[in-house]
Amino acid sequence: EDQVTQSPEALRLQEGESSSLNCSYTVSGLRGLFWYRQDPGKGPEFLFTLYSAGEEKEKERLKATLTKKESFLHITAPKPEDSATYLCAVQARSSNTGKLIFGQGTTLQVKP
Amino acid sequence: SQTIHQWPATLVQPVGSPLSLECTVEGTSNPNLYWYRQAAGRGLQLLFYSVGIGQISSEVPQNLSASRPQDRQFILSSKKLLLSDSGFYLCAWGGTGNSPLHFGNGTRLTVT
Repeated sequence: EDQVTQSPEALRLQEGESSSLNCSYTVSGLRGLFWYRQDPGKGPEFLFTLYSAGEEKEKERLKATLTKKESFLHITAPKPEDSATYLCAVQARSSNTGKLIFGQGTTLQVKP
Repeated sequence: SQTIHQWPATLVQPVGSPLSLECTVEGTSNPNLYWYRQAAGRGLQLLFYSVGIGQISSEVPQNLSASRPQDRQFILSSKKLLLSDSGFYLCAWGGTGNSPLHFGNGTRLTVT
């Protein structure tokens, strides 16, 4: 069964304190791995797509990396506005419907 | 550019009452459409998806149904709500090829 597990569930950082969020996955052939940001009461906002092991994507203070078993979202020198829930999702190669399987998310709080 | 609209934003309904949530997409043709539900503190669970008008696939057995009467309109319904139907309902489009899903801002449903 395709599955996504994110850790930690919650993370508190001081402003400027860099850290990483983990997304472990098992899927019958990976078509793509997706990272989203979700603010309270809002829908998820797309951040990155990674397709193959070794690939990296960057956006401002965020950098996503991918291996054959997991993905990391590295946050460098975070600011309070980076506080949100970060969701990871996978799309299986066998899926011709585009559906995503999501992890439970990591809730990040950055204190000034 | 593409946009997705969901309404209402919040809804409080008594047990046993009917439900109708609507989602429309602008700026794209023949999109794949999805309904997800997010329970408090949990990841997103796929409820229904549609690859075309009148084509609905259900992921999990439940008290809900979906319909796609027009190309860019997706409706989530129930004849009689249960307490367990409470949650945050999200509509999304996309998923063709390797493309990500793009989400609306959701409907917070509370069944009392």
